[in-house]
Amino acid sequence: EAGVAQSPRYKIIEKRQSVAFWCNPISGHATLYWYQQILGQGPKLLIQFQNNGVVDDSQLPKDRFSAERLKGVDSTLKIQPAKLEDSAVYLCASSWGENTEAFFGQGTRLTVV
Amino acid sequence: GIQVEQSPPDLILQEGANSTLRCNFSDSVNNLQWFHQNPWGQLINLFYIPSGTKQNGRLSATTVATERYSLLYISSSQTTDSGVYFCAVNPLYGGATNKLIFGTGTLLAVQP
Repeated sequence: EAGVAQSPRYKIIEKRQSVAFWCNPISGHATLYWYQQILGQGPKLLIQFQNNGVVDDSQLPKDRFSAERLKGVDSTLKIQPAKLEDSAVYLCASSWGENTEAFFGQGTRLTVV
Repeated sequence: GIQVEQSPPDLILQEGANSTLRCNFSDSVNNLQWFHQNPWGQLINLFYIPSGTKQNGRLSATTVATERYSLLYISSSQTTDSGVYFCAVNPLYGGATNKLIFGTGTLLAVQP
């Protein structure tokens, strides 16, 4: 069974530029999560989808971050404009349903200079 | 909201030693997972363990939901066990019942 796929693996951008990350969850998984992990900290949930609807985005900085999940499958997370403090690993995860086992992709390491 | 604390924060072991990592959570949970984050940043699923005990090779885990803690046992540690170990929970009550909330992590270094 294929795992959660993310791209790109690495990205370096200048502050005020925009960037987008892509995630393809495990086939059949209805729940999709985006997490931000700053160096030395645990992952922090940014947004959670159930199919193509948003379940929780309370910690998403909506002035600069946006996310969508078209057709309830793939998802994109966008940052516009980026700030230095956005430098982190962005992790995508999926699960069959809410409160079931979650599986993570390899992450995208973003460096904002 | 729920607090998830892990101990110890850092641990250094000699290869072959055993260790116990602890995860305490401040409120009732629907489920609990243990992950190993390797040096390349990948989160590897170790256990999905809302309650009871599970074993997988040299690793085992026990969750006592009524007392709000979980333990991860690593026996005969190897250098490949190095990395950060996280527990993560889905709270049972409150506005965060669908969220997977991570603990503070334990950084493990296994020396040859």
